[in-house]
Amino acid sequence: DAGVIQSPRHEVTEMGQEVTLRCKPISGHDYLFWYRQTMMRGLELLIYFNNNVPIDDSGMPEDRFSAKMPNASFSTLKIQPSEPRDSAVYFCASSLQGRNYGYTFGSGTRLTVV
Amino acid sequence: AQKITQTQPGMFVQEKEAVTLDCTYDTSDQSYGLFWYKQPSSGEMIFLIYQGSYDEQNATEGRYSLNFQKARKSANLVISASQLGDSAMYFCAMREGRARAGGYQKVTFGTGTKLQVIP
Repeated sequence: DAGVIQSPRHEVTEMGQEVTLRCKPISGHDYLFWYRQTMMRGLELLIYFNNNVPIDDSGMPEDRFSAKMPNASFSTLKIQPSEPRDSAVYFCASSLQGRNYGYTFGSGTRLTVV
Repeated sequence: AQKITQTQPGMFVQEKEAVTLDCTYDTSDQSYGLFWYKQPSSGEMIFLIYQGSYDEQNATEGRYSLNFQKARKSANLVISASQLGDSAMYFCAMREGRARAGGYQKVTFGTGTKLQVIP
């Protein structure tokens, strides 16, 4: 089992540019989550999907952020246009429905917007 | 109000000693789940242990145990026989509501405790 795979691991981009983060969840997992981690705000849930359907996107900070899950094995988080305050580590995680399943996190994408 | 409170920003423990990391939570749900995750300096998040609100026994996973005190709304993590590799950030988290197919799965994380194990 390869785990949750995120790409890229690091991204440096200029303000105003579009950024796309990618995630491949663990095969068979039916939930996918996008989290953002910063020193100031800790871990924040941005959006999560169940069976490819967005369930709760109340954590998406602005319209500049969008997320899609076209199939069970792929999700993207897009920021357009990017701003310096978007700099953070973005984690994707997946899980199976069930009482005691913790999330399995990817390695994260460290985004720096200059 | 914070749903998950970790009051210890940093902790030190001597190698081979036990350490308790504190976590209190706030929810009005009767059914909920509590988790602990470890984040080493490399950045990945590692699931350690789970406790359900209806579980009568405290959860244990190897050297990790969760001291669950429901009336006090606390879910402290106990690490026995600390090792140098235990040095990391530790996050307490809570899922509110019953886990079920298609059910609500949002998990809220605390701010973390940085544990340093001293040789």
